[in-house]
Amino acid sequence: NAGVTQTPKFRILKIGQSMTLQCTQDMNHNYMYWYRQDPGMGLKLIYYSVGAGITDKGEVPNGYNVSRSTTEDFPLRLELAAPSQTSVYFCASSYRFAASGGHQFFGPGTRLTVL
Amino acid sequence: KNEVEQSPQNLTAQEGEFITINCSYSVGISALHWLQQHPGGGIVSLFMLSSGKKKHGRLIATINIQEKHSSLHITASHPRDSAVYICAVQFSGGGADGLTFGKGTHLIIQP
Repeated sequence: NAGVTQTPKFRILKIGQSMTLQCTQDMNHNYMYWYRQDPGMGLKLIYYSVGAGITDKGEVPNGYNVSRSTTEDFPLRLELAAPSQTSVYFCASSYRFAASGGHQFFGPGTRLTVL
Repeated sequence: KNEVEQSPQNLTAQEGEFITINCSYSVGISALHWLQQHPGGGIVSLFMLSSGKKKHGRLIATINIQEKHSSLHITASHPRDSAVYICAVQFSGGGADGLTFGKGTHLIIQP
């Protein structure tokens, strides 16, 4: 099993550009999450999904959108990129909801810089 | 505001030393996670606790619900244990809005 895969690994965007961060898991997990990690700060939840077709906002959703058309894929869309979105983005999945004790499996991360 | 505090922020120790990393939180929780972030950036879930103690190899995690405190211990530390260790909690009554993460403890084990 590949686990959780993310593409791209690195990306530089100009202000106002848009892009999609891809996330795929092959563990048949219902729960998937997008986090951002800023230097010196804890991970913050952007969006999460409890199954195909169901998504909900986390702590910091502004400037992002998600979709979940299949169990495997959970892409994160950045519209009109801003310098404040410079961060490392992690996708994760779990069999049980993390809040109920489900261990999360993390992707390798995408380092995004907006200039 | 519900917060998660970790201490120390940075810790440098010699190989073989017993390591303790602490996590405290402000209100009641339903679950606490310990994660390890490797120097290359990858994150691995180590433990999930709601009470008591768990052990996996040289790693031990404990939680005291009454004192709102958890510790992660590493016995016989090794340079490969060098990483950032992250505590994350689900606050009780927090609904489905996920975990709150500490800022992490940066551990360096010198040979």
